Amino acid sequence: EIVLTQSPGTLSLSPGERATLSCRASQSVSGSHLAWYQQKPGQAPRLLIYGASSRATGIPDRFSGSGSGTDFTLTISRLEPEDLAVYYCQQYGSSPRTFGQGTKVEIK
Amino acid sequence: EVQLVQSGAEVKKPGESLKISCKGSGYIFTSYWIGWVRQMPGKGLEWMGIIYPADSDTRYSPSFQGQVTISADKSISTAYLQWSSLKASDTAIYYCARRFDTSSPHFDYWGHGTLVTVSS
Repeated sequence: EIVLTQSPGTLSLSPGERATLSCRASQSVSGSHLAWYQQKPGQAPRLLIYGASSRATGIPDRFSGSGSGTDFTLTISRLEPEDLAVYYCQQYGSSPRTFGQGTKVEIK
Repeated sequence: EVQLVQSGAEVKKPGESLKISCKGSGYIFTSYWIGWVRQMPGKGLEWMGIIYPADSDTRYSPSFQGQVTISADKSISTAYLQWSSLKASDTAIYYCARRFDTSSPHFDYWGHGTLVTVSS
């Protein structure tokens, strides 16, 4: 089973700042089959990024994904107040599919 | 518009059985796998299993194999998650989600979640 470790646990930034979230896999994720999801308080998760770097439909271009192998990054270029959420990475290259434990983004 | 509408919140006692549902609309239900994801109180997401409604081919995470049963009724575009004997540790929000496709099997659409509370 591939274990995904996200860091930091919590990120506290001001509006307009850049947020960099990390997702590290215990083994190489085949085919860059990695997604990022956003979960706002009290809501279901929402797909942001798939294939490590492809934005899902309707996702603002301030969200971007990068990486391959075992190291992946989600970047929010200019934080907005509505970006307050927990962000999860998920690998779907190997079974069982697994999620990271999440990074909470707080807005100062 | 793709929608996954889940059944309402449930309160059950330990040892009781339960079946929750997820109805898909706005797309061809039999063409996409449907998965289930658990979120325990204050915790992260856990991938439970997935079903292909066209032929009911089902795959489980080892952590959930034997603990739950995933099924589907393609005639009414509905997937199910069921327990035969609930435990307090089954208390969680359960989400269904549509898997995009074989080439990129991420979850592209999610249901709103069903809160299951198991308490004596």
